[in-house]
Amino acid sequence: DADVTQTPRNRITKTGKRIMLECSQTKGHDRMYWYRQDPGLGLQLIYYSFDVKDINKGEISDGYSVSRQAQAKFSLSLESAIPNQTALYFCATSDSGDGYTFGSGTRLTVV
Amino acid sequence: GNSVTQMEGPVTLSEEAFLTINCTYTATGYPSLFWYVQYPGEGLQLLLKATKADDKGSNKGFEATYRKETTSFHLEKGSVQVSDSAVYFCALEYGNKLVFGAGTILRVKS
Repeated sequence: DADVTQTPRNRITKTGKRIMLECSQTKGHDRMYWYRQDPGLGLQLIYYSFDVKDINKGEISDGYSVSRQAQAKFSLSLESAIPNQTALYFCATSDSGDGYTFGSGTRLTVV
Repeated sequence: GNSVTQMEGPVTLSEEAFLTINCTYTATGYPSLFWYVQYPGEGLQLLLKATKADDKGSNKGFEATYRKETTSFHLEKGSVQVSDSAVYFCALEYGNKLVFGAGTILRVKS
């Protein structure tokens, strides 16, 4: 099994629908992150969490929310999806000694 | 604020050519610097890193040196292969978060 698992891998949803992207990890890392990748823009930080009780907004948090259900689980929600949220979403974990580990990504299309 | 600027791509090279991808950064203090690689359909993998000025990171024939005086971390490889075709991201770490450049697409032709 992968160290950082994202589900689903691909999703097509309609404008206005609520959608949740899930991330689970077996690294035992306290720090978890959600990034969004758009062509030509690199990866931008949406939300991050340094432990179960800590949630912080990143640079592009509008329209998104997160939940840290456990050390190993960090979910990203789009309350009312819009077409410009079409992107590739990555979950990552980190640890001071172990560095960063990225999931394989979720490709989300909002039509 | 903290930011990373990479040369725009795509960069197209013939096999065995020399590769340079430029990366400069703006940061408060002295961040750690990274190069990540993304192969088609995959997530990001750490390619190399440097944690302080004058450090050289290296891996799989790729190298980058942390230059504080020019705030740069350029990626180089002496002889690229078709299998090096991917997207390369320069990044800095500040406050336990990564800040990425826009990415540079590399295409290597045989």
